[in-house]
Amino acid sequence: AQKITQTQPGMFVQEKEAVTLDCTYDTSDQSYGLFWYKQPSSGEMIFLIYQGSYDEQNATEGRYSLNFQKARKSANLVISASQLGDSAMYFCAMREDGYSSASKIIFGSGTRLSIRP
Amino acid sequence: EAEVAQSPRYKITEKSQAVAFWCDPISGHATLYWYRQILGQGPELLVQFQDESVVDDSQLPKDRFSAERLKGVDSTLKIQPAELGDSAMYLCASTKDQGFTGELFFGEGSRLTVL
Repeated sequence: AQKITQTQPGMFVQEKEAVTLDCTYDTSDQSYGLFWYKQPSSGEMIFLIYQGSYDEQNATEGRYSLNFQKARKSANLVISASQLGDSAMYFCAMREDGYSSASKIIFGSGTRLSIRP
Repeated sequence: EAEVAQSPRYKITEKSQAVAFWCDPISGHATLYWYRQILGQGPELLVQFQDESVVDDSQLPKDRFSAERLKGVDSTLKIQPAELGDSAMYLCASTKDQGFTGELFFGEGSRLTVL
């Protein structure tokens, strides 16, 4: 069963606009973590932001914020004032803290974001 | 700044040949992950180590793939024999411990092309 779902294969956004990348997840664990990574065409994976399941406030890192809605099991990434350099693949990932097994981190299928000048 | 080192960056091999990838995580990082990323898809976890022990290899195709981390530091991922469908980016990542709340640190990856 798909545990991380990113329903937007690709998005085009005008420079300087805000953009929301969707992510829903499925877990029965109470303790888990959610991540967003950026992967430019060069291939490296760049960490953007992290949200723990017990964190009461939405995580923010500069222009990135994570809209965490626990009841809906969604963890959308919001990028404010988009820039040309934001064009990349974006992956949502989840860490499940299983009690009987080691935490493992699984990734969604990604969203390709293209910023138009 | 400390980095996760991977080699080779690129590898072209013929079907049925053996291939190996090496990863040296950030010093002190106990947990090491190998992911496979097919072009246009998200990374898929192949194997996870805690120190020298495998804690998850449920997605590793064990008939042809093997992984080891003998001294709990660097790790090797081997494919023998390679098949056309193995063409992908192989990413290594590490974290300090299982209970971390922060990020995975990724290497630059090893891109494999099987002809």
